[in-house]
Amino acid sequence: NAGVTQTPKFRILKIGQSMTLQCTQDMNHNYMYWYRQDPGMGLKLIYYSVGAGITDKGEVPNGYNVSRSTTEDFPLRLELAAPSQTSVYFCASSYLAPGIYEQYFGPGTRLTVT
Amino acid sequence: QQQVKQSPQSLIVQKGGISIINCAYENTAFDYFPWYQQFPGKGPALLIAIRPDVSEKKEGRFTISFNKSAKQFSLHIMDSQPGDSATYFCAASPGPGGTGRRALTFGSGTRLQVQP
Repeated sequence: NAGVTQTPKFRILKIGQSMTLQCTQDMNHNYMYWYRQDPGMGLKLIYYSVGAGITDKGEVPNGYNVSRSTTEDFPLRLELAAPSQTSVYFCASSYLAPGIYEQYFGPGTRLTVT
Repeated sequence: QQQVKQSPQSLIVQKGGISIINCAYENTAFDYFPWYQQFPGKGPALLIAIRPDVSEKKEGRFTISFNKSAKQFSLHIMDSQPGDSATYFCAASPGPGGTGRRALTFGSGTRLQVQP
């Protein structure tokens, strides 16, 4: 039972570089999310998706893009990386049903931009 | 209106003691209030959650107390153990009748250290 998997675990980028953070879930969840966690802070929502082909912005979407071509995958794209994007990134998923609210989180990707 | 305020930032408790973490929210559309536990290097994991139709929920040593009129909720950890040492986040989200995105708004976290 893999749950939510994220790759890579760690990455160092130079300013201006681009990369894609991968997220896959095997629970057939329709909702997926990307959060970032800065030191000493709670998680902030970057983007979310309510199903394949449907995405929308969260609180802090600037500098990021997402796509959702399948139920399982929800990659996060960073274009022109900036030091302000140094953070730990968490992907999460949940199932839409009455009374079911739990979000399941992946192990995170620690990104440093220098 | 989306904020969830959490206190204290850090907490040191002796083994066997009671740990108490408090949260307050502003958005009356919030309908689901979970607590997440996070160990270093790991993603958050759901610990316990409550809906506003009850004032208290208990699971083992963990209890959520909820005060709807004050818009506050708290986590109590009874008989705290060194293995409970972690960062705890409160969170809130709208129910199905809200924005529909069901995303969580997190508090800033409390680092709990239980000393043996």
